[in-house]
Amino acid sequence: EVQLVESGGGLVQPGGSLRLSCAASGFTFSSDWMHWVRQAPGKGLVWVSRINSDGSYTRYADSVKGRFTISRDNAKNTLYLQMNSLRAEDTAVYYCTRGIVGGDVIDYWGQGTLVTVSA
Amino acid sequence: SSDLTQDPAVSVALGQTVRITCQGDSLRMYYASWYQQKAGQAPVLVIYGKNNRPSGIPDRLSGSTSGNTASLTITGAQAEDEADYYCNSRDSSGNHLFGAGTKVTVL
Repeated sequence: EVQLVESGGGLVQPGGSLRLSCAASGFTFSSDWMHWVRQAPGKGLVWVSRINSDGSYTRYADSVKGRFTISRDNAKNTLYLQMNSLRAEDTAVYYCTRGIVGGDVIDYWGQGTLVTVSA
Repeated sequence: SSDLTQDPAVSVALGQTVRITCQGDSLRMYYASWYQQKAGQAPVLVIYGKNNRPSGIPDRLSGSTSGNTASLTITGAQAEDEADYYCNSRDSSGNHLFGAGTKVTVL
């Protein structure tokens, strides 16, 4: 059974940093693309970033480019999202997700971790 | 445009058919995926590719694409189909897009 478990969310001040982690199990993590998707309270889904299986290719939404960094440790079956220069508008539940079909289809989702950016 | 446009809300009578649409330039090149999200839960993939359903998704949900428009059809809507539905696709730069979501109410 595919499992994605996010951690690292919490309350952070504007301008601060946070690193999210996602522990993956139940599939061959090192073979699959991974994505981060976020959802502000009461709002829709917003794609954040994706990374290929060996970590050599990454893409970011314009809203986070230059502030967020996606990475992975295939030996630990773990995906990361380093978030710097956080803003109030980054407040959201952050979902770790798996990509299939060359990374173009997001299939499994974690339960999410809440990041709140507030003074 | 790099956006995916969805109607904010639709309603359907129990047992009837409803179609949810998603419009965007990226859909001329890439298939849409569709996600169902119920209150307080993570989204679930329901349709991807030309018209593929993951295991466990009922066959009353189906997908299609024509030009720049992707559609999700629920044939014989059930109470448990009441949810928010989001479309998603990649674009030519390798980024992904989500529509704003359609709230489906089953009457």
